[in-house]
Amino acid sequence: DVKVTQSSRYLVKRTGEKVFLECVQDMDHENMFWYRQDPGLGLRLIYFSYDVKMKEKGDIPEGYSVSREKKERFSLILESASTNQTSMYLCASSPGQGGHEQYFGPGTRLTVT
Amino acid sequence: GEDVEQSLFLSVREGDSSVINCTYTDSSSTYLYWYKQEPGAGLQLLTYIFSNMDMKQDQRLTVLLNKKDKHLSLRIADTQTGDSAIYFCAETPLGGKLIFGQGTELSVKP
Repeated sequence: DVKVTQSSRYLVKRTGEKVFLECVQDMDHENMFWYRQDPGLGLRLIYFSYDVKMKEKGDIPEGYSVSREKKERFSLILESASTNQTSMYLCASSPGQGGHEQYFGPGTRLTVT
Repeated sequence: GEDVEQSLFLSVREGDSSVINCTYTDSSSTYLYWYKQEPGAGLQLLTYIFSNMDMKQDQRLTVLLNKKDKHLSLRIADTQTGDSAIYFCAETPLGGKLIFGQGTELSVKP
């Protein structure tokens, strides 16, 4: 079974702090994704990566950056957390060529106070 | 642009059938998906349908695709309380990204 793990289930941070959300997958997938989920808005794509050291902006990249130094790990960084970044953050991975299903981690609920 | 629309809430009685509807805009989507999210959990892929199919059945789940109207539905037969969750429809326009709907919260009453 594909396993996608996220470093924290719940996180509380203060406004202005730098926040790191970590995601690790164990199935050698090429593609990794970061989404945020807000009630009534569904999932919105923040950033994705098709390979190590590659990154592409999604639909709402402002205020975020990412890092992919190793194939299995994809980090989401909030350079200076703000209260409007309080949300559920979901990481996903999918196989490369010909693979289309995305597998999700359990999510990190981030609260910025 | 790309857009996926779902109603936000659906309430049914245990044992009834549930039908969750979705409309999408991008006719180039190769696959269309249904994901389930239980409380406090990530998303779990329930089923998907290839765009050249019009129906797919998997145990209690039936997916219907009307490409002409860009309409996708998920029918859950004999709905159980364990089916209570949020259900997301998603499409894959060219480029490999998933575009999700807002999610339909299904509430199953005993």
